[in-house]
Amino acid sequence: QAALTQPPSVSGAPGHRVSISCTGNITNIGAGFDVHWYQQVPGTAPRLLIFATTHRPSGVPDRFSGSKSGSSGALAISGLKAEDEADYFCQSFDTSLAGYVFGSGTTVSV
Amino acid sequence: DERLVESGGALVQPGGSLRLSCVASGFTFAAYGMSWVRQAPGKGLEWVSTISNGGDTYFLGSVKGRFSISRDDSKNILYLQMNRLTVEDTAIYYCAKTRNWFDSWGQGTLVTVSS
Repeated sequence: QAALTQPPSVSGAPGHRVSISCTGNITNIGAGFDVHWYQQVPGTAPRLLIFATTHRPSGVPDRFSGSKSGSSGALAISGLKAEDEADYFCQSFDTSLAGYVFGSGTTVSV
Repeated sequence: DERLVESGGALVQPGGSLRLSCVASGFTFAAYGMSWVRQAPGKGLEWVSTISNGGDTYFLGSVKGRFSISRDDSKNILYLQMNRLTVEDTAIYYCAKTRNWFDSWGQGTLVTVSS
């Protein structure tokens, strides 16, 4: 059972906007730790999408954006494209587990 | 370009041991923490272990006492020694360059624990 909860799936039409939630608690996101996001196309390694809650690595389109409020983070994908079909995972740090934790993962369908 | 290449995955019997390696290139290896993250078949990502650039080590609770992590900064290699393996350790193991997030990943190496 993952420490961070994500919806199993979200879907949207090309060009539309979707949002993925990442719900934690007071020992991780709610304690002030950043949220980070990864994209994984099936059969390939994960790729960093958003770090430190709101920052995009070079090469990641500005269609991807991150935010945080209280014990939850969120990833928004605007202008949805077919190439965005993938699994998305959030990640943070948990003080009670004394380690990094991941979300359960969300499959995005376009 | 940053590159991480894992090796050492194999089929091993329960109770057995395995050592994974990860060769890094394209960045100053000694300056960064490095981690192992695993993914069981059809499942999500699970952090396993991290070694800081200073050599401090951290482990997932279920592998503590069974796994060890080390690094050779002269050769740019990260290791994961896995002992007393169980079927629950079956997964693709990825090495990842680490800050408080994982910003470069290898392609992974498959560890299968089965009799």
